[in-house]
Amino acid sequence: AQSVTQLDSQVPVFEEAPVELRCNYSSSVSVYLFWYVQYPNQGLQLLLKYLSGSTLVKGINGFEAEFNKSQTSFHLRKPSVHISDTAEYFCAVSGSGTYKYIFGTGTRLKVLA
Amino acid sequence: DAGITQSPRHKVTETGTPVTLRCHQTENHRYMYWYRQDPGHGLRLIHYSYGVKDTDKGEVSDGYSVSRSKTEDFLLTLESATSSQTSVYFCAIEGSNTGELFFGEGSRLTVL
Repeated sequence: AQSVTQLDSQVPVFEEAPVELRCNYSSSVSVYLFWYVQYPNQGLQLLLKYLSGSTLVKGINGFEAEFNKSQTSFHLRKPSVHISDTAEYFCAVSGSGTYKYIFGTGTRLKVLA
Repeated sequence: DAGITQSPRHKVTETGTPVTLRCHQTENHRYMYWYRQDPGHGLRLIHYSYGVKDTDKGEVSDGYSVSRSKTEDFLLTLESATSSQTSVYFCAIEGSNTGELFFGEGSRLTVL
């Protein structure tokens, strides 16, 4: 079985400051990992994904994440946030060879002026 | 545009009535998913499908059933709606060979 834990439900940060949103997962099989963003009253859209290869993954809007197999983590980072990054961010895991795609509970990022 | 539409987008119904939500795709993708989104719970998988007539349960399948008689349509049915099923429901399709999910715009269901 797979599961995803996002420990921080809300993260306030000032504009132009760095941010890290944490994600830990558990799985009995190899995993694919994803971060999605949801802006108010919209569906989710993909920020970045790890399928294989380099453990540092770069996505859209200046975000990046690092896959750490030993710590079963896939934390999302951005060196300098903007007001427009205010949204809810979801980490997700899909197990290799399975069809299930499980999401975390989300982290609401609020960027303050 | 991933070619995925949900209907209805908004629905208000009463406890005990049946409700069917429809997800339609134009991409011919094999995998389709139904999630519900609730504050504090994120997205929870209800059911998913890996082909015509091939479906399986997710994390919160009790009270829901699904059907997929054609590749393009994935129906979610609440046989007898309850207030605990008030939620926003999202359908998603998985892009072939990309692992990425493409989401519909959501269906907001209120059960009174």
